[in-house]
Amino acid sequence: AQSVAQPEDQVNVAEGNPLTVKCTYSVSGNPYLFWYVQYPNRGLQFLLKYITGDNLVKGSYGFEAEFNKSQTSFHLKKPSALVSDSALYFCAVRDIGGNNRLAFGKGNQVVVIP
Amino acid sequence: KAGVTQTPRYLIKTRGQQVTLSCSPISGHRSVSWYQQTPGQGLQFLFEYFSETQRNKGNFPGRFSGRQFSNSRSEMNVSTLELGDSALYLCASSSTSGGVETQYFGPGTRLLVL
Repeated sequence: AQSVAQPEDQVNVAEGNPLTVKCTYSVSGNPYLFWYVQYPNRGLQFLLKYITGDNLVKGSYGFEAEFNKSQTSFHLKKPSALVSDSALYFCAVRDIGGNNRLAFGKGNQVVVIP
Repeated sequence: KAGVTQTPRYLIKTRGQQVTLSCSPISGHRSVSWYQQTPGQGLQFLFEYFSETQRNKGNFPGRFSGRQFSNSRSEMNVSTLELGDSALYLCASSSTSGGVETQYFGPGTRLLVL
């Protein structure tokens, strides 16, 4: 089964510093990977996705993610974190077989310290 | 375009009761998926509907059911509620059920079972 792992529970970063949220995947075949963000009492907001092509994917709100096949990773990055980036971040992989089922990681709480 | 809408936003029920949650997808989207989010289990896939047909189903008991109407609106029903059904129920829509479409999530319905 397709799966992703987010090894850290919480990521603390000072405002203005680079932010990295880690994700590794386990799939059979080509991975289709996603990042979502969730603010308190809200649904998930789409940030970016990797299907194929460039290993560096640019997304919303200044976020980008780097796909690394040899390390089976898809880390989310932002060059300069904002306090407003404090939220819960989820990595997800799409199921095989042409349906839209997503398997999510456990999520990472990001805390940006002013 | 208006986003995915879910009603109601909050619900309080007692054990043994049944509940129906509603989801209106983004206009033009034909695929609707449902997820359950809890602190312990994270985000888990319930089912996906496309053109009024259930395409995929997660590992939930038969008390959880859903349907989709001809206008793509979807409902999910939980019968004989248990305390463990307390969760945030998220609906997501995408334009097709093939390809690698992005799923867009609604704000969720928070269900509390007492």
